[in-house]
Amino acid sequence: AQSVTQPDIHITVSEGASLELRCNYSYGATPYLFWYVQSPGQGLQLLLKYFSGDTLVQGIKGFEAEFKRSQSSFNLRKPSVHWSDAAEYFCAVGAPGGYQKVTFGTGTKLQVIP
Amino acid sequence: DAGVTQSPTHLIKTRGQHVTLRCSPISGHKSVSWYQQVLGQGPQFIFQYYEKEERGRGNFPDRFSARQFPNYSSELNVNALLLGDSALYLCASHRGGGNTGELFFGEGSRLTVL
Repeated sequence: AQSVTQPDIHITVSEGASLELRCNYSYGATPYLFWYVQSPGQGLQLLLKYFSGDTLVQGIKGFEAEFKRSQSSFNLRKPSVHWSDAAEYFCAVGAPGGYQKVTFGTGTKLQVIP
Repeated sequence: DAGVTQSPTHLIKTRGQHVTLRCSPISGHKSVSWYQQVLGQGPQFIFQYYEKEERGRGNFPDRFSARQFPNYSSELNVNALLLGDSALYLCASHRGGGNTGELFFGEGSRLTVL
């Protein structure tokens, strides 16, 4: 069974500082990996996805993530955080070729301080 | 183009009642998935429907059921409501039936069971 662990429940960063959100997954092979963002009262928006190929993936809003097979990790990064990035971030894993069961982590809530 | 629309946005029910939640996918999308997001948790997969057929089901009791209509809209039904069913119910649409791309989420229906 696939699973996702996001070890950080809450992270606070200063505006302009760099950000890294951690994600570890469990899956028997190379899964499909996603990062979604959820702003208060909003649905989920896809930031980026990894299916295969280049292990450094670029997404929207200046985010990137790196797939590291040896560490079963897919950490999300941003070089300079903006106040509008305050939201909850979910890492998710899906089974290649399967139906659309996507397993989400418990989320990391990002607070940005001036 | 309109995004994924869900109704109602908020509703309050009492234990033992039933509820019907509705979802209209993005035009051209033939697949709808339902997720339950309990406060403080990541979304959990309930169902996927593609071309009006159930393609996948998560670990939810038979009190949960769904269907997809010829216009690809969908309903999620929950019978004999329990307090633990209080959650944000998210609908996601996808163009195809496989797990190869982005899920587009609606803003959800927030159900409170008293």
